[in-house]
Formats: sequence, structure tokens, C-alpha cells
Amino acid sequence: AAGVIQSPRHLIKEKRETATLKCYPIPRHDTVYWYQQGPGQDPQFLISFYEKMQSDKGSIPDRFSAQQFSDYHSELNMSSLELGDSALYFCASSGSIGDRPLDTQYFGPGTRLTVL
Amino acid sequence: GNSVTQMEGPVTLSEEAFLTINCTYTATGYPSLFWYVQYPGEGLQLLLKATKADDKGSNKGFEATYRKETTSFHLEKGSVQVSDSAVYFCALSYNQGGKLIFGQGTELSVKP
Repeated sequence: AAGVIQSPRHLIKEKRETATLKCYPIPRHDTVYWYQQGPGQDPQFLISFYEKMQSDKGSIPDRFSAQQFSDYHSELNMSSLELGDSALYFCASSGSIGDRPLDTQYFGPGTRLTVL
Repeated sequence: GNSVTQMEGPVTLSEEAFLTINCTYTATGYPSLFWYVQYPGEGLQLLLKATKADDKGSNKGFEATYRKETTSFHLEKGSVQVSDSAVYFCALSYNQGGKLIFGQGTELSVKP
């Protein structure tokens, strides 16, 4: 079965650079979530989109922005990178029945961002 | 606010031992509860879930029962294998389509 696809899998950037992470949800899933997992930490919710509209916002820095496109893929844009942004970034997707979202989220393999 | 608390790890067991990982939650209303597993270097995989009180989620020999009276969702397995070595996360979702709130994770190491 198709899973959530994230690219790139690994990314190395310098401080103050920008990065773009991409997420392709499971086909027919209309909700995308972004999470950040620091070393040895639990995943922290950043932001989510339902039907291309932002549906919830968590502890996402103002330097980060995200959007969901018409084909439901999502991109997380990160600017003015800091050392503390080094983490695993997960995307997850979920589907819906009619206009009722389902509560099970399926995670991608993650993008490991290293800021030097 | 909503939160999840897991027993601290790491937990080290011998193969075929019984496993319990405790998870308690704080939430208003009736959240859905989940266990996710993260193998080394990999993403999070859904292990099991329960959506209402007294529901039992099960998968691959793992079980957890949604206990509203004790606000708990403890993970159990009768006989662990070396391949079960991973980090286990308990999580809740308060609204359908809502964000997941994770516990701090419990690392399990199973020795042959």
C-alpha cells in the first residue's frame, strides 16, 4: 500500500540558510500534519492543513511557513535556520469520510535536517 | 491542558518476558488513544488505537485497553521478541482530525 512520502530524507544546511521540506500524503488523504522531533524527544506538532486550508497551528516558529497544494501535497518552508532547528521533521496524513475527518494519522519516514 | 505521561525508560527485558509500558493521560472529554512505535532510524508506525472507554486495541500481540476511570492506556505484550526493540510512544488526539499529543516515549530493549 502507498505510504506517506517525504523528501528529501536528509538535508544539511548552514545557519541562516533556508530549507524546503516536501510531503506527499497517502492517495485520497486530505489532511496533512507536520511534526518536529528533536534528539531523544517526542514529536511536537507544528501545523496541519485540511483541504488546503490551515486547520491547526502548534509551536511553529514565525520563521517557518507551510502550505498545502491543490494535489494535497504539502511543503514546509524554513528560513533563517538556527542550530536548534536540527531535528527530524515528520509529515503525517489522514483521510475523511464525507466531511468527517478520521483520527488515525499515518507517518512518513521523516526528513532529518542538520543545521551547521 | 491535554497531556500524556509514560513510564520512563529504557526498559530492558529478556526474550519471551512480559511487557507493560504504562501510559496515563489528562484530557477533557473523550480523546482517541494511540500507541506508535519507532524503530531505530525510522518513522512512526501506528501500533494500535482505541477510540472510546473500555475499547481494547490490539496488533502483533500487543494490547492496550482504554480505561477512563484511571485515565490510562497501558501497553502489554505477553512474550516480547528481540525484534520488538524500539521506542514506543503513547499519544492522544482530542478532536477527529486534530493534532496528536505524544508522551515522552519509552525505549524498549529486548535481549536474546
